[in-house]
Amino acid sequence: DTGVSQNPRHKITKRGQNVTFRCDPISEHNRLYWYRQTLGQGPEFLTYFQNEAQLEKSRLLSDRFSAERPKGSFSTLEIQRTEQGDSAMYLCASSSNYRDTQYFGPGTRLTVL
Amino acid sequence: AQSVAQPEDQVNVAEGNPLTVKCTYSVSGNPYLFWYVQYPNRGLQFLLKYITGDNLVKGSYGFEAEFNKSQTSFHLKKPSALVSDSALYFCAVRDPGSATNKLIFGTGTLLAVQP
Repeated sequence: DTGVSQNPRHKITKRGQNVTFRCDPISEHNRLYWYRQTLGQGPEFLTYFQNEAQLEKSRLLSDRFSAERPKGSFSTLEIQRTEQGDSAMYLCASSSNYRDTQYFGPGTRLTVL
Repeated sequence: AQSVAQPEDQVNVAEGNPLTVKCTYSVSGNPYLFWYVQYPNRGLQFLLKYITGDNLVKGSYGFEAEFNKSQTSFHLKKPSALVSDSALYFCAVRDPGSATNKLIFGTGTLLAVQP
């Protein structure tokens, strides 16, 4: 396994701007998760994909957030009209169908000024 | 509601001494439990998990955890701490009510190992 990769690693933006993050899961992992981690807290679930289908979204995922996984491989998470409260670490994880372990990427740290 | 509690924000231990990081859970049904470690500005690294079977689970880097159903606990242990073990540790439970295997995390425990 080459591991889960995420880009960019850091993003600084001004309030009101749109940002997009990318996650490349471990190859052949058909399950992909997004989590958000704020300072001093554990990661919180945002959304889940099985192949290209988005099967669950957290109430944390407001309508400013959208996620896609168009071909069942990489995924993108877009935040529109960013707010300072969106500042957090955004983590991506993947797992395969027959194993329960989720493997995490290094995360994208978003700072909204 | 499903939840995980890590009652200690920080655990301090001297190098070479045994360490324990505590975790308790509250879920309906059989829990799937996990421990992850996070180093500064890094993602989470998987340490070990309990699904079923032997209550003592062995994982990476010499860590182990004991599942105790009566006490609803899943404490992380290591016989001899290293300075390099200093990091943030998260306990997590798979939400048994979810078909997606999403994880519910505790708030984390900072482990500080003094040389």
